[in-house]
Amino acid sequence: DSGVTQTPKHLITATGQRVTLRCSPRSGDLSVYWYQQSLDQGLQFLIQYYNGEERAKGNILERFSAQQFPDLHSELNLSSLELGDSALYFCASRTSGDNSPLHFGNGTRLTVT
Amino acid sequence: QKEVEQDPGPLSVPEGAIVSLNCTYSNSAFQYFMWYRQYSRKGPELLMYTYSSGNKEDGRFTAQVDKSSKYISLFIRDSQPSDSATYLCAMRPTGGFKTIFGAGTRLFVKA
Repeated sequence: DSGVTQTPKHLITATGQRVTLRCSPRSGDLSVYWYQQSLDQGLQFLIQYYNGEERAKGNILERFSAQQFPDLHSELNLSSLELGDSALYFCASRTSGDNSPLHFGNGTRLTVT
Repeated sequence: QKEVEQDPGPLSVPEGAIVSLNCTYSNSAFQYFMWYRQYSRKGPELLMYTYSSGNKEDGRFTAQVDKSSKYISLFIRDSQPSDSATYLCAMRPTGGFKTIFGAGTRLFVKA
């Protein structure tokens, strides 16, 4: 068990809808990362938060947004969903400093119909 | 050209074989190198974590980094059917926020 918790495990929704994915990082980790994994794209970095502030952005669509709350849990909001947004969404966390790797949760599987 | 290249496989080996998994990269600033194992419908699990060049061994697993060739490897000795999974290489520069992943290699170990 990595200590990173993601909910829900599965989400099925229709095109045009909006969903929220939730992540609780490992105890003590201030950084939260969101990744998208689809069959043809591999693990793609979306966005990173550190102690409540956005630190880095990757290939995140404008329809997607995220935030990190004072208790350090994070939410990824996906809106105006399209069929192509169907994927696994992973959250990862790590401690401060260079010498720390990412630890992943078990992801949320999103299916857009 | 992708920053990190990894052959997606699949790679199929008999039980007990030595498995060699590899990645090449283009960014010479990468200093931290990782290998993750991912079972179906699960999150990536950290296997090995190394800094700069050299070897690191942990049980049946050995990670090698050759920065001069921009090439990293993961060796699995005495492979088991339970090793069947997707193996992802990953790397990050010093002071960098973003960890870049390879596409992953699917490994099948046949009993």
